[in-house]
Amino acid sequence: QKEVEQDPGPLSVPEGAIVSLNCTYSNSAFQYFMWYRQYSRKGPELLMYTYSSGNKEDGRFTAQVDKSSKYISLFIRDSQPSDSATYLCAMGSPSGTYKYIFGTGTRLKVLA
Amino acid sequence: NAGVTQTPKFRVLKTGQSMTLLCAQDMNHEYMYWYRQDPGMGLRLIHYSVGEGTTAKGEVPDGYNVSRLKKQNFLLGLESAAPSQTSVYFCASRITGTTGELFFGEGSRLTVL
Repeated sequence: QKEVEQDPGPLSVPEGAIVSLNCTYSNSAFQYFMWYRQYSRKGPELLMYTYSSGNKEDGRFTAQVDKSSKYISLFIRDSQPSDSATYLCAMGSPSGTYKYIFGTGTRLKVLA
Repeated sequence: NAGVTQTPKFRVLKTGQSMTLLCAQDMNHEYMYWYRQDPGMGLRLIHYSVGEGTTAKGEVPDGYNVSRLKKQNFLLGLESAAPSQTSVYFCASRITGTTGELFFGEGSRLTVL
């Protein structure tokens, strides 16, 4: 079993839809949870960062962490064609190993 | 401010050839990483470095070597390329500590024939 599981998609939604992207994980030591966005033929860029459990909101984006279920989510409200990209979840622990574990990424396409 | 720069961006190699990928960052970051990205596999860590002169193995280190002679540069070498090393390679860097944003380069596409 992979440490981090993420549905690869692709996920196609109409413009304006609410998008829900999810990852599950198995390592209870993870404390730092991130979402990266990667446009085609570009490097990933940080979208959201959350420490431990709870919600974090930034504009149209909301990140949720449920540590009891080992489940994290990214919600995109009022989705736009410019949101079409691959979204990767990433996780880290405070164990001092300096490494993040990435999910495989979910391809999202928002149709105009 | 260029951030993280990778060279070359594209390269085609024949099996058995060697090459070096160069990563340069201008953010004075201590930590640097090399990942490979393959369809369905996500980003997998090859090697990483927590400071000048130090390197460590990641998840998939076989067939690769690295060096961090200068703080701003992290080199990834393939001594004898194999078709299984066809991939997109990403370099990343971040500040010191147990967490922090990873800044990625734009990637280097390598094809091994």
